[in-house]
Amino acid sequence: DVKVTQSSRYLVKRTGEKVFLECVQDMDHENMFWYRQDPGLGLRLIYFSYDVKMKEKGDIPEGYSVSREKKERFSLILESASTNQTSMYLCASREGRGSNQPQHFGDGTRLSIL
Amino acid sequence: GDSVTQMEGPVTLSEEAFLTINCTYTATGYPSLFWYVQYPGEGLQLLLKATKADDKGSNKGFEATYRKETTSFHLEKGSVQVSDSAVYFCALSPRGGGNKLTFGTGTQLKVEL
Repeated sequence: DVKVTQSSRYLVKRTGEKVFLECVQDMDHENMFWYRQDPGLGLRLIYFSYDVKMKEKGDIPEGYSVSREKKERFSLILESASTNQTSMYLCASREGRGSNQPQHFGDGTRLSIL
Repeated sequence: GDSVTQMEGPVTLSEEAFLTINCTYTATGYPSLFWYVQYPGEGLQLLLKATKADDKGSNKGFEATYRKETTSFHLEKGSVQVSDSAVYFCALSPRGGGNKLTFGTGTQLKVEL
């Protein structure tokens, strides 16, 4: 089974801090994704990466950046955290680029910005 | 652009009741369709998928049929259990569209004894 591991289940940070969310997958997948999940809005794509050092913006990239230095690891960075970034963050990975391949998700990080 | 519309929740059922969660989509071409489930405190798990018209995905007693004529992918289960209580997400992946999954807003299911 695919294992996607997010480094923290719960995280509390202060406004203006630089925040790092880490994600690791163990299946050598090319593609990795960061979403945020908010009530009534479903999942919204922040960034994705289809190869090492490659990234593309999703639907809501503002206020975020990403890093993919190794194939198995994809980091989400909040450059200067704000209260409106309080949310559940989900990482996912997927093999290949075919539309019929499912994404595999981690357990999520619930981030609170005070 | 692509979109997925799910019925509003929460849906509350008694154990052994029949479940339907409606999902309709808007997309160009022939997308692949997925149902994901999220149990409390966990991430999303793939429940089932269908990749072409008239395909039926099934898993753990859940089924959904890809209906191109009605652009729908409704989730059904004949007899729900308390352990099925979760949030269910319908999603599509555009054919040839690379990486993006478009999700519905999710439907919460509560099953009571």
